[in-house]
Order: sequence, then C-alpha cells, then structure tokens
Amino acid sequence: GAVVSQHPSWVICKSGTSVKIECRSLDFQATTMFWYRQFPKQSLMLMATSNEGSKATYEQGVEKDKFLINHASLTLSTLTVTSAHPEDSSFYICSAKAGGPQETQYFGPGTRLLVL
Amino acid sequence: EDKVVQSPLSLVVHEGDTVTLNCSYEVTNFRSLLWYKQEKKAPTFLFMLTSSGIEKKSGRLSSILDKKELFSILNITATQTGDSAIYLCAVDPPGNTGKLIFGQGTTLQVKP
Repeated sequence: GAVVSQHPSWVICKSGTSVKIECRSLDFQATTMFWYRQFPKQSLMLMATSNEGSKATYEQGVEKDKFLINHASLTLSTLTVTSAHPEDSSFYICSAKAGGPQETQYFGPGTRLLVL
Repeated sequence: EDKVVQSPLSLVVHEGDTVTLNCSYEVTNFRSLLWYKQEKKAPTFLFMLTSSGIEKKSGRLSSILDKKELFSILNITATQTGDSAIYLCAVDPPGNTGKLIFGQGTTLQVKP
C-alpha cells in the first residue's frame, strides 16, 4: 500500500514555543491530506482538511490561528502548533488521499507532542 | 447528525477465541465503510466495504456490511496476542470530501 511519513515522531517542547509537524506521501501524490488529533483511549478527531495550493478547511472548534496548516506541494503538508500549551499535548496523525472517489486514506505513523 | 458507534468499547479474550466487533452508523448514502487496526502508532487499513452482504476476508479477519440494518461486523478467528489493538470503524460520507467519521473504537486485549 501507499506510504505516508510524519516527522518528527516525538517532540517535547516548552510552553509558548511553536512546533512544526511534517506529513509526506512518499510514493504517491496526495491531492488531499487530513490532520487528526487523538487523546488517550479516544478515537481520532478530524482537525482540518488540507488541499494542495489552497487554504485548509478547519472543523468546528479548531482554531485556525493556533493550528497553521500549509499544503505547499502534492507530497507535503505541515501542521504548526503555535504557542503550544500543555493542553495541546496529544497524538497528531495525518492521512493522505490520492484522489478519486474510491481512493483509500493512508495514515502516517503519528507524532506524539508533549508540551511542558 | 452523522454518527458511528462501535461496541463493545473494550474486550478481553484469550488466545484462540473468536471475537466479533460491531459498528453501527447513522450516515445516509455513505460511500464506504472502513475498518482500521491501531496499535501504538497510527491506524493501518484493514478493509473497505461498499456493497451489502459481500464478505471481505484477509487471513483470520473478515468483515461484512449490512446496508439495510446499517451496521458492519469485524470477525477475528483464532485470536493471537498480536491482535491486541484498537479497532476503528469509519464511514466515508457522501460529498467526496474524504472526511471520515470515526467510531470510538473497540480496544481488544488478547491474553496468552
């Protein structure tokens, strides 16, 4: 199947700093990428949909100024958590979809963020 | 509001047991229903179901969709400790947005 990578896999930062997470589709072009967050023992919560070359669409309740998303190319999307606080500590997962109505989403391995 | 509900939320079995995980949904005219397995990292794809009554099989795992009764089941036979994971059900709603609606997940623990 298709491969999606995320970097970094683990990050610890101080409160108030910004953290950038990269999501790459390695062997296909992703017209759409999705960003999720997952709290312990809970399911995935969609944060935003990212389409290459256009602004991301955020889900209700997700602050777009807090979680900046950039989808600069067909193989790369980035999520920047700005001025991170301890409550932003979570598991962030991206997924990528090639296009076409029957295409499956492939998930990256996730990034675990801990804000001290 | 579109909703996906999984049951049970957690399950503990012993190796060799057979388990059935349930996923019911309230999403009209959805495009597909997907099952994922999540261990310590991100979910890995198991099955995509689009047609009612057609079983999909992969080794000891199988899944089927009932569009009339609005549910799907995931069966695992002869469970092994490596099957311990969270199993997620997701529905791809109409509109070609690609936004999946996830259930809460079923946490399966298989004891030796």
